[in-house]
Order: sequence, then structure tokens, then C-alpha cells
Amino acid sequence: SAVISQKPSRDICQRGTSLTIQCQVDSQVTMMFWYRQQPGQSLTLIATANQGSEATYESGFVIDKFPISRPNLTFSTLTVSNMSPEDSSIYLCSVSRGDTQYFGPGTRLTVL
Amino acid sequence: AQRVTQPEKLLSVFKGAPVELKCNYSYSGSPELFWYVQYSRQRLQLLLRHISRESIKGFTADLNKGETSFHLKKPFAQEEDSAMYYCALKRAGGTSYGKLTFGQGTILTVHP
Repeated sequence: SAVISQKPSRDICQRGTSLTIQCQVDSQVTMMFWYRQQPGQSLTLIATANQGSEATYESGFVIDKFPISRPNLTFSTLTVSNMSPEDSSIYLCSVSRGDTQYFGPGTRLTVL
Repeated sequence: AQRVTQPEKLLSVFKGAPVELKCNYSYSGSPELFWYVQYSRQRLQLLLRHISRESIKGFTADLNKGETSFHLKKPFAQEEDSAMYYCALKRAGGTSYGKLTFGQGTILTVHP
């Protein structure tokens, strides 16, 4: 299994500011994934963070809006930049271990 | 492009009744399909995967390639089965390896 922690667990932010979400895994993993779960909607993959290379973004998501860092094999950050109320969502960190994908507890972001 | 569809956003049954959560997919390759569950105040976790053909907590799911379906079934629902259920498809190959595409989710409520 994989134990994943995220910080902060929740935050309320003002429009136009940025928030950095941290994800820590209890053991080394090659790929870490960032998902978004908007209210009443499904989980959508934002990007894949690989250690030692640029993150790869899914269609509709760009690095300027969601910069990602992956400084080592157990840690990653996702920044939500220049926030608007539409960014209000739960942001989830995830890793794969074999056939199973494990998820963090999520960061609930509210943008006013 | 791959797509996962869960046609029912809400599903209510009484304790002891059979339950079936529907999932249909479209994918040009050979799919790997999963059911994930999120109980109240808990993180998203794997329930079962089609490859292992297992029964978890009384739930089973059979991949029907002809109908492109992966419905989740349980013959006798229990109150503790109340949760949000997500069907997910794992993309395979190349840079898409390991990424999950989720359905919209079904909220199952089992009444006493």
C-alpha cells in the first residue's frame, strides 16, 4: 500500500491569490498524479509529476495556472495560481503501486 | 479518447435488496477497469479491479467487452455500503500509462 498525506487539508482563499498544496508519500514512487474534483463532478486528472523532468499536463490544464514541483521521489507540490471562484474544488494527490492507485485525503479549496 | 459513463448519479435501495451500479466505457485499446469507493469522511480507495475477478465486501463486477460495460453488483445491500462509487478506466501504454479516467460517480444510499 501507500500512505499519502496532503497539506493543507482545506483553505479559503481570496480571488487573485495563489495556494500551494503539498503531497508526501511514505515511500518512493516514480509518478505522482494530481486530480481535481469539482463540486458534484467527477475526478479529472490535471497532470502527472515525474521526478527529474517537467510535469505533463492534461488537455485543458496549463503550467502557468497549475505549476508543479517534484523535487524528490516522495514529495510533490501543486500550486493553484491567480485563483478564481471556479477553482473551488478538492485537489487530490495520487500514486500508483502495481495495479492499484492510492489517493491522498484531498485539499478542499474555496475561493471567494 | 476514452470515456467512462455512470448513468445514475443517485441510487437508493433498501437493506437486503440487490444493487447494481452501472458503468459503461469507450476505449480503443484493451481496458483495465476498476471500481473505487469513497465512504463518508474517508479517502477514495480501490474496491475491486476486473483483472483479479474477485469479490470484495460481497461486490462483484464483470467486464463485458461486447456491451462495453463493467457493472458493479451485490446481491444483498447493507447499510454500510452507502458511499460514493466511481468506475474508472486505466489507460495503458506510452505516456498515458497509469492514468485513470473516472466516471461521474454514483451515490449509493442503503436504507434500513
